[in-house]
Amino acid sequence: GNSVTQMEGPVTLSEEAFLTINCTYTATGYPSLFWYVQYPGEGLQLLLKATKADDKGSNKGFEATYRKETTSFHLEKGSVQVSDSAVYFCALGNSGGYQKVTFGTGTKLQVIP
Amino acid sequence: GAVVSQHPSRVICKSGTSVKIECRSLDFQATTMFWYRQFPKKSLMLMATSNEGSKATYEQGVEKDKFLINHASLTLSTLTVTSAHPEDSSFYICSARDQGFAEAFFGQGTRLTVV
Repeated sequence: GNSVTQMEGPVTLSEEAFLTINCTYTATGYPSLFWYVQYPGEGLQLLLKATKADDKGSNKGFEATYRKETTSFHLEKGSVQVSDSAVYFCALGNSGGYQKVTFGTGTKLQVIP
Repeated sequence: GAVVSQHPSRVICKSGTSVKIECRSLDFQATTMFWYRQFPKKSLMLMATSNEGSKATYEQGVEKDKFLINHASLTLSTLTVTSAHPEDSSFYICSARDQGFAEAFFGQGTRLTVV
């Protein structure tokens, strides 16, 4: 079946540091890949997505590239801010008739001033 | 993007009572809705998938008689936690998808506390 593996947290960075959160997946077919962000006390928000190989999703300075050869979708940001502190979930959507989303375990990011 | 509204955001109930959580798609027709449960410091666990007008499909290990899901219209799904117990305390999140979108959109979540 489908699965998503992402690096364990928590990740603590200083403001303006470079961020990488690794994510790899196992899936059949051609899934869509997502990064969701959950701020404290809130629900999930879609951060970015990529629907086919070599696509790059980007939003709010975050980027991730769909790498089919390495089955990866690593999240990166060049300069993090305190406001980026949240839990980040890598996720995979199957290509079936309905979008059943499989989530990774989440990585908590804490950015300190 | 599309908006999914979940209500209530927080609820406290007594052990043995039932609680209903609503999930509405505000500006699109949700042909499929999903209910997740999030345990502290862990990922989201898919509980069930519902398609409008049909019975929900529950994931293995989820008690369908305890977690009643109704998807009566294209814009509303409800999750009822029956005879709640403290171990049911959790964060419940719904998501909804229209066939025209690649991703599912999430509600704000409901923090359930059973005392």
